[in-house]
Amino acid sequence: DIQMTQSPSTLSASVGDRVTITCRASQSISSWLAWYQQKPGKAPKLLIYRASSLESGVPSRFSGSGAGTEFTLTISSLQPDDFATYFCQQYDSYLYTFGQGTKLEMK
Amino acid sequence: QLQLQESGPGLMKFSETLSLTCSVSGGSISRINYYWGWIRQPPGKGLEWIGTIDYRGNTNYNPSLKSRVTISVDTSKNQFSLKLSSVTAADTAVYYCARLSGYDLRARFDSWGQGTLVTVSS
Repeated sequence: DIQMTQSPSTLSASVGDRVTITCRASQSISSWLAWYQQKPGKAPKLLIYRASSLESGVPSRFSGSGAGTEFTLTISSLQPDDFATYFCQQYDSYLYTFGQGTKLEMK
Repeated sequence: QLQLQESGPGLMKFSETLSLTCSVSGGSISRINYYWGWIRQPPGKGLEWIGTIDYRGNTNYNPSLKSRVTISVDTSKNQFSLKLSSVTAADTAVYYCARLSGYDLRARFDSWGQGTLVTVSS
């Protein structure tokens, strides 16, 4: 299985901050990576696919980059609605795997 | 707009078989380049992919669950289903159904159901 490791596990930030979350794959996955946002009691929501493509309806302050084994999700200017948990997911292999999650909390 | 809705029992006993159904509305389950999957999330933990099916019934399962999982599709009802046998406390989780978009199984989860909590207890 391809292992996905996110860092940090928890991130404290303030409204207006620029934040970056990292996801590393245990082997190359080309650009087959997605990012999801999950709020308490809700289903995950797709933000980014193919490492850097913004899903329709997702604000442009979200962006993704990377290829191979290292990827980043960046929020350019944090908004109150963005405090949530973020997961990465690889789909290079059909044995899909997720990162353990990064909780973005208010400082 | 596509909507997915999970249904099934919320409380189960050890060794029973969990059965959940995902009803899809606002779009056909029979379209190519879409797959349909199940994901679960134990309370306070991360996401675990369970398995995937296409409209023809081709399946792929998480190796860690493969011996206990069956996913099926009913295109006439626009539904797909999950069965997980011999449940234990470790199977307590919120179970999500989702649509995957992509090609050749290189697909992301782009639409999710609201999730249903299944608790396994003695």
